[in-house]
Amino acid sequence: AQRVTQPEKLLSVFKGAPVELKCNYSYSGSPELFWYVQYSRQRLQLLLRHISRESIKGFTADLNKGETSFHLKKPFAQEEDSAMYYCALSPMEYGNKLVFGAGTILRVKS
Amino acid sequence: EPEVTQTPSHQVTQMGQEVILRCVPISNHLYFYWYRQILGQKVEFLVSFYNNEISEKSEIFDDQFSVERPDGSNFTLKIRSTKLEDSAMYFCASSERNYNEQFFGPGTRLTVL
Repeated sequence: AQRVTQPEKLLSVFKGAPVELKCNYSYSGSPELFWYVQYSRQRLQLLLRHISRESIKGFTADLNKGETSFHLKKPFAQEEDSAMYYCALSPMEYGNKLVFGAGTILRVKS
Repeated sequence: EPEVTQTPSHQVTQMGQEVILRCVPISNHLYFYWYRQILGQKVEFLVSFYNNEISEKSEIFDDQFSVERPDGSNFTLKIRSTKLEDSAMYFCASSERNYNEQFFGPGTRLTVL
């Protein structure tokens, strides 16, 4: 079975502080990992995926297969980063469905 | 920029009634999905659809649920006899190819009374 765990429901940081949103996964195969973001009153949208190795809006995430983690990081948080962040896994061997974590609300205070 | 659209934004129905949730995927996309999110819970996969047939479905997607692409643009989710526990936000998504980025619609909030 595939599972994604995001241990924090809420992460509150000050503007300019570093951010790390934690994500751990459970899957015996080779998954693809994603971070989706949902800003207030907007739809779910892809932030980044591990396979592309990009930095989007200053966020990066590294897949650590040994620790089965895919933590999302940003060195300096901005107020506009406040949103709900979902980590998701796609079990590539079994199709393209997304398995989501519970989500973490990021609140950036001024 | 093209977007996935969903109608209605909010649907209220009585238990036991049939509902149809509608989605218009992005026009050149070939893969379609339904997810749902019960209030306070995770976003859960329901079903994926390609080439006019279901490619994968979850345990949630039982005989009460069905999907259809009735024409070249719409993708529908039907719940035959709604239960209280079907109350949730239902999201449609589409992707251009398999393993590509999934683009989500804004969701339909279904309330079963």
